[in-house]
Amino acid sequence: AQKITQTQPGMFVQEKEAVTLDCTYDTSDPSYGLFWYKQPSSGEMIFLIYQGSYDQQNATEGRYSLNFQKARKSANLVISASQLGDSAMYFCAMREGDDMRFGAGTRLTVKP
Amino acid sequence: DTGVSQNPRHKITKRGQNVTFRCDPISEHNRLYWYRQTLGQGPEFLTYFQNEAQLEKSRLLSDRFSAERPKGSFSTLEIQRTEQGDSAMYLCASSLPTGTTFGANVLTFGAGSRLTVL
Repeated sequence: AQKITQTQPGMFVQEKEAVTLDCTYDTSDPSYGLFWYKQPSSGEMIFLIYQGSYDQQNATEGRYSLNFQKARKSANLVISASQLGDSAMYFCAMREGDDMRFGAGTRLTVKP
Repeated sequence: DTGVSQNPRHKITKRGQNVTFRCDPISEHNRLYWYRQTLGQGPEFLTYFQNEAQLEKSRLLSDRFSAERPKGSFSTLEIQRTEQGDSAMYLCASSLPTGTTFGANVLTFGAGSRLTVL
């Protein structure tokens, strides 16, 4: 069974600073996808970034980048130049075929 | 297409009553997923459909829960004889078939249906 671990229940970052949110995963399947979603207080899950297990380069999407270390089975999210609007819950997820599971999340608070 | 739509957004019911939630996925998405999310936790998988076929059900989905996707378009999630422990946000998501393109792997979520059982 796959497993996603997010060890940081809460994180604080100063506005305009960078922050790293940790995620480790466990799978024996060589083909999988890793995702990060943002969930603001409104509740909707917003897709941020995706990394495929065979991708050679780390994914980037604007201020978001995914630090993918396959041997360590980690997929940390890096948010650069934090903004107040980045305050939200962040979930790491892994998909194997049609099966997609989520971690427990990290609550990020951006301080002005 | 306006994305994944869920109704109702909020439902308050008394213990023992039945409730039904509806999800309208993005039209070209043939995969449809239901998740449950309690306060402070990540979404927990309940079940998913490929077109009208229900392919997997979580052990979280007790006999009181039933999900359907009769024509491979919208889906309903019914909870019978609700209990206070059923209080949660019920999230629906949809996606294209996996593996074809990058975008196919992304689940697009609706805004959720929040259930409160008194």
